[in-house]
Amino acid sequence: GNSVTQMEGPVTLSEEAFLTINCTYTATGYPSLFWYVQYPGEGLQLLLKATKADDKGSNKGFEATYRKETTSFHLEKGSVQVSDSAVYFCAYDRGSTLGRLYFGRGTQLTVWP
Amino acid sequence: DTGVSQNPRHKITKRGQNVTFRCDPISEHNRLYWYRQTLGQGPEFLTYFQNEAQLEKSRLLSDRFSAERPKGSFSTLEIQRTEQGDSAMYLCASSSGQGGGEAFFGQGTRLTVV
Repeated sequence: GNSVTQMEGPVTLSEEAFLTINCTYTATGYPSLFWYVQYPGEGLQLLLKATKADDKGSNKGFEATYRKETTSFHLEKGSVQVSDSAVYFCAYDRGSTLGRLYFGRGTQLTVWP
Repeated sequence: DTGVSQNPRHKITKRGQNVTFRCDPISEHNRLYWYRQTLGQGPEFLTYFQNEAQLEKSRLLSDRFSAERPKGSFSTLEIQRTEQGDSAMYLCASSSGQGGGEAFFGQGTRLTVV
């Protein structure tokens, strides 16, 4: 079936620490992969995306590489800030014209100064 | 454009009552999606419209749920005879159908059934 498995949270880091949030997916075909972020009190926002194998999505210092051989799309940031505290969701679509998204459970990140 | 707008932001209702939520998508977007999110979970797909046509419905969408998008612009989601298990955040998203499915989300309507 279709599913997304994300690293369990919560994740607590000190400012300037390195961040990795693991994400693997189960999907047939050629899905597009996404990371969405939800800041406190706000709606989901697209953080980055990759639409084909070996593509790297990046935004705001975050990066993730589409690894088809391991069906993974791990999120990384070299130096986190307090303002990065949020819930991060890995998601994919099936690459079809429908565009519905399949989400992971989300990973809560808290960054302390 | 101010993005995807959802109303109301919060709704508390008694079990057995009917509720209706509204979503106004980004004006040039022809695709509109409804998702449901419960605490500690990611959003789960409910239904999808392209213009005014409802093209896909999840098995999560029981007979008590109905969604419409009569003129291909705003959409409504109605829940009849609400149950406590319907308590959740209901999210609306829209997209243009371009760019690998990139969707823009509203802030959601939080439903509490007491």
